[in-house]
Amino acid sequence: EADIYQTPRYLVIGTGKKITLECSQTMGHDKMYWYQQDPGMELHLIHYSYGVNSTEKGDLSSESTVSRIRTEHFPLTLESARPSHTSQYLCASSELTGPSSYEQYFGPGTRLTVT
Amino acid sequence: QKEVEQDPGPLSVPEGAIVSLNCTYSNSAFQYFMWYRQYSRKGPELLMYTYSSGNKEDGRFTAQVDKSSKYISLFIRDSQPSDSATYLCAMSDRGSTLGRLYFGRGTQLTVWP
Repeated sequence: EADIYQTPRYLVIGTGKKITLECSQTMGHDKMYWYQQDPGMELHLIHYSYGVNSTEKGDLSSESTVSRIRTEHFPLTLESARPSHTSQYLCASSELTGPSSYEQYFGPGTRLTVT
Repeated sequence: QKEVEQDPGPLSVPEGAIVSLNCTYSNSAFQYFMWYRQYSRKGPELLMYTYSSGNKEDGRFTAQVDKSSKYISLFIRDSQPSDSATYLCAMSDRGSTLGRLYFGRGTQLTVWP
């Protein structure tokens, strides 16, 4: 079944640690996105990718980095976690072109807490 | 001014009620309009997708777009406790090669039995 997977679902980690949030999709989509969501606030786009070896920063300034070595895989890395990184991180994907390219499908999210 | 405005609620209604959720926007270039449903501790789930103005119906859900007023609505008929969730509106403009979505803050809905 086509889906988007994120691991871990929940992560509590100490300040200064390096972390990688995983995102994989079996939707066959070229475009992938990372959003940050805080309670009661809009989703903020932090990274996106059009395809393999394509990565761009979004609107929200982020200290994270991403990579896109395989079409189905779009991991997000924080080199040194800080309490300000505490948030929900959502991965999404969509088709590359056409009207369906506006339909983004989301994973279940990773809730990150940095202590 | 934010691109998309959405009243966060919370909205609490009895089972069977008709629910109306709304968003306003400022960018007249927006052409694609979406409603997402997000259950607690889950990712957003695409509920309705409309292009340009008009109505779209899917079961108990109806999405309306009024581009002249820059106003979109989602109606839920015969609401059920399982409809309790946060509803996010999102929209995009035709010129965006990224397919960049602009989201509202979400409206938290509770349907009580």
